[in-house]
Amino acid sequence: GAGVSQSPSNKVTEKGKDVELRCDPISGHTALYWYRQSLGQGLEFLIYFQGNSAPDKSGLPSDRFSAERTGGSVSTLTIQRTQQEDSAVYLCASSSGPLKEKLFFGSGTQLSVL
Amino acid sequence: QKEVEQDPGPLSVPEGAIVSLNCTYSNSAFQYFMWYRQYSRKGPELLMYTYSSGNKEDGRFTAQVDKSSKYISLFIRDSQPSDSATYLCAMRPNTGGFKTIFGAGTRLFVKA
Repeated sequence: GAGVSQSPSNKVTEKGKDVELRCDPISGHTALYWYRQSLGQGLEFLIYFQGNSAPDKSGLPSDRFSAERTGGSVSTLTIQRTQQEDSAVYLCASSSGPLKEKLFFGSGTQLSVL
Repeated sequence: QKEVEQDPGPLSVPEGAIVSLNCTYSNSAFQYFMWYRQYSRKGPELLMYTYSSGNKEDGRFTAQVDKSSKYISLFIRDSQPSDSATYLCAMRPNTGGFKTIFGAGTRLFVKA
């Protein structure tokens, strides 16, 4: 696709439910990142994929959070037993090529946990 | 202490003003320095990119990196209302992984 696509754009869930957030990176981009942005906060790194492997998961806040990437393309971030403090915008970014530092972001998924 | 510190603002300036945004950092291993612009309800987009120390200019935007002081700046000349957005500094090391660390972002309002 032309850009990074994230779905859903908005998700409202009840505390304790599981949610899945999807990211479609730019075609051919080998690196994929998940970040979380809370109101008034900067971007908090969650996890990084190179291809299908995740060499850096250091940012995942707890074992309720997991992510996978299949076929070197689509990635899913899963949050189990959601808590109110999980409410935030979840942003996905991809990059590739010689300028790997240039991250292309999607518009994010606004997650609200009631 | 956060690895990257950035004043969240908000910063309000009249149209045509010169805007100065800055960040400080603590990790001397950072080599790549970026500025992203984020409009409301959108993802950040890369505005400026600098490797190591020095200045870089692109139109009305100038990015400066002072590694000795661990201080980076973004200057916007002849600011326009369309520049109203959140500006996030970002940085990462040359080796040891690809984790890019972001500042909290500064909200900028340019009044017509």
